[in-house]
Amino acid sequence: SAVISQKPSRDICQRGTSLTIQCQVDSQVTMMFWYRQQPGQSLTLIATANQGSEATYESGFVIDKFPISRPNLTFSTLTVSNMSPEDSSIYLCSVVVEGARITEAFFGQGTRLTVV
Amino acid sequence: AQSVAQPEDQVNVAEGNPLTVKCTYSVSGNPYLFWYVQYPNRGLQFLLKYITGDNLVKGSYGFEAEFNKSQTSFKLKKPSPLVSDSALYFCAVRDPFSNSGYALNFGKGTSLLVTP
Repeated sequence: SAVISQKPSRDICQRGTSLTIQCQVDSQVTMMFWYRQQPGQSLTLIATANQGSEATYESGFVIDKFPISRPNLTFSTLTVSNMSPEDSSIYLCSVVVEGARITEAFFGQGTRLTVV
Repeated sequence: AQSVAQPEDQVNVAEGNPLTVKCTYSVSGNPYLFWYVQYPNRGLQFLLKYITGDNLVKGSYGFEAEFNKSQTSFKLKKPSPLVSDSALYFCAVRDPFSNSGYALNFGKGTSLLVTP
């Protein structure tokens, strides 16, 4: 299994500013992802955080808006840049752990962001 | 692309009465299907998954899921739910064709309310 710690758990930010969200995992993992959950919506994958290289973004998400760092196998950050009220969401970090018999995705508790 | 649909926004059931939460999937090839639960202000928790094998999958907290290939459905069930099971439930499918290969596509979620 994997235990994921996300910081901050919530924040209220002014439009035009940026927020960096941290994701710390208690073990080394290869696969780490960032999701967004807009109010009343499902989770949408933003990008895959690749260790030692640029993140891989899904359609509709770009690096300039959501820069991601992955300096090692236990840590990643997601920055929400130049925020607008439309960025108000829950942002979740996720890792996938492959075992001998099971592959399972684990999620952090999320960062609830409100942009005013 | 792989996708799942949850046709019910909310399911209400009395404590002790069997519950079913619906999910249908659309995939090319064999589906990897999952159920997750999200309690208020907490991250997603894995309940169970179907990869192959027996069509009835048993998971955490007494939940089980029934895979039906002919109906392309993956229903979440619990014979005798508790009030504490009230939460948001997400069906998900792994999308090997996404940029990540291991990320999940989620349904919009079904809010379960178990009344005393």
